[in-house]
Amino acid sequence: QVQLQESGPGLVKPSGTLSLTCAVSGDSISSDNWWSWVRQSPGKGLEWIGEIYHSGSTNYNPPLQSRLTISVDKSKNHFSLRLSSVTAADTAVYYCAREVASPGTYYFDYWGQGTLVTVSS
Amino acid sequence: SDVLTQPPSVSVAPGQTARITCGGNNIESKSVHWYQQKPGQAPVLVIHDDSDRPSGIPERFSGSNSGNTATLAISRVGTGDEADYYCQVWDRRTHWLFGGGTRLTVL
Repeated sequence: QVQLQESGPGLVKPSGTLSLTCAVSGDSISSDNWWSWVRQSPGKGLEWIGEIYHSGSTNYNPPLQSRLTISVDKSKNHFSLRLSSVTAADTAVYYCAREVASPGTYYFDYWGQGTLVTVSS
Repeated sequence: SDVLTQPPSVSVAPGQTARITCGGNNIESKSVHWYQQKPGQAPVLVIHDDSDRPSGIPERFSGSNSGNTATLAISRVGTGDEADYYCQVWDRRTHWLFGGGTRLTVL
């Protein structure tokens, strides 16, 4: 059974950097899957943040691209998110998820439980 | 612009069939996936590739996609189905796109 677990500070100061890690178990981060971050602001819908492949290739959501870095650590079987210059608008529950490829499309089959990150002084 | 439009809410009586729509320009040309999210929990995949059910999802959940509308249908609805439902598509240009979500209420 694949499991994903997010970890990181629950409180970040404005203008600071949000850093989260997603630990993967039950699958290798080096498998033929992309791995994503998705967030959900309080009471709002889902927003895709970005994704990474074990080779280090990444794709980012354009509005976040200038502030975003996603990296992978194959030795620890985890991947990480760094979002800089945060504001209150970045307050959200952050999820990591595994992507599944299907002809012409992708979807998420496993999700972490999510972690709430609040941006506040 | 690429937008997936869902009704904010759908209400249905117990035992009836709930239908949740996801509108998009020529959405039938894309594969649509659906997630169920209960309060305080992570989303769960309930339909992928328009109409396929993952292992463990009841047959009561079904999907279709035609023209400009994809539809998630849930038959014999019970209180356990109350949740937010999100549609999602992927393409090479926009990558990931979610609908705004629909709150299903069982009356």
